[in-house]
Amino acid sequence: EVQLVESGGGLVKPGGSLRLSCAASGFAFSKYSMNWVRQAPGKGLEWVSSITSSSTYINYADSVRGRFTISRDDAKNSLYLQMNSLRAEDTALYYCAGPLSGGPDYWGQGTLVTVSS
Amino acid sequence: DIQMTQSPSSLSASVGDRVTITCRASQGIRNDLGWFQQKPGKAPKRLIYTASSLQSGVPSRFSGSGSETEFTLTISSLQPEDFATYYCLQHNSFPQAFGQGTKLEIK
Repeated sequence: EVQLVESGGGLVKPGGSLRLSCAASGFAFSKYSMNWVRQAPGKGLEWVSSITSSSTYINYADSVRGRFTISRDDAKNSLYLQMNSLRAEDTALYYCAGPLSGGPDYWGQGTLVTVSS
Repeated sequence: DIQMTQSPSSLSASVGDRVTITCRASQGIRNDLGWFQQKPGKAPKRLIYTASSLQSGVPSRFSGSGSETEFTLTISSLQPEDFATYYCLQHNSFPQAFGQGTKLEIK
């Protein structure tokens, strides 16, 4: 069974940092591009960041570039998102997702990040 | 950056109806577009990839069409389980971008 399990969310003050993790199982994690997608409460989906297999290419949304860093550890079948200089507008449910363009459709259930003083 | 404009933002329809949702890209994206369905409290689920290819396991009442700047998602005969929010996503170039979403509600 394919599983993506996010962790690391929580309440953080503006300017603070969090590191999200996504543990993958049940598929050949190292073969696929992986993504972070977020959804603010009551709002739509927003693509945040992508990393290709072997970490060859990395991309970010303009809204997080310079503050967030995506990475992966294929030996641990894990995806990460280091989030620094957090702002209130980063408050959202963060989903770990597999390739968005095609192929298998893999999503976690999300981890909630709340940025508030 | 490529902007995706999705319409309508909400839609009321009845079981058995045929419905169409549209996404327009601010510039040509070939067929690099997917459609996703999201139900409350759940993760999104891809229905269509490369504009018109049906994701494995998705009912054939869902179909997609279009290329370059105009795309449509059609549900041929609405079923009760289809009431949800739908999003398009362009993956032609970074930053990838979702449309604003279409909430499909029961009339």
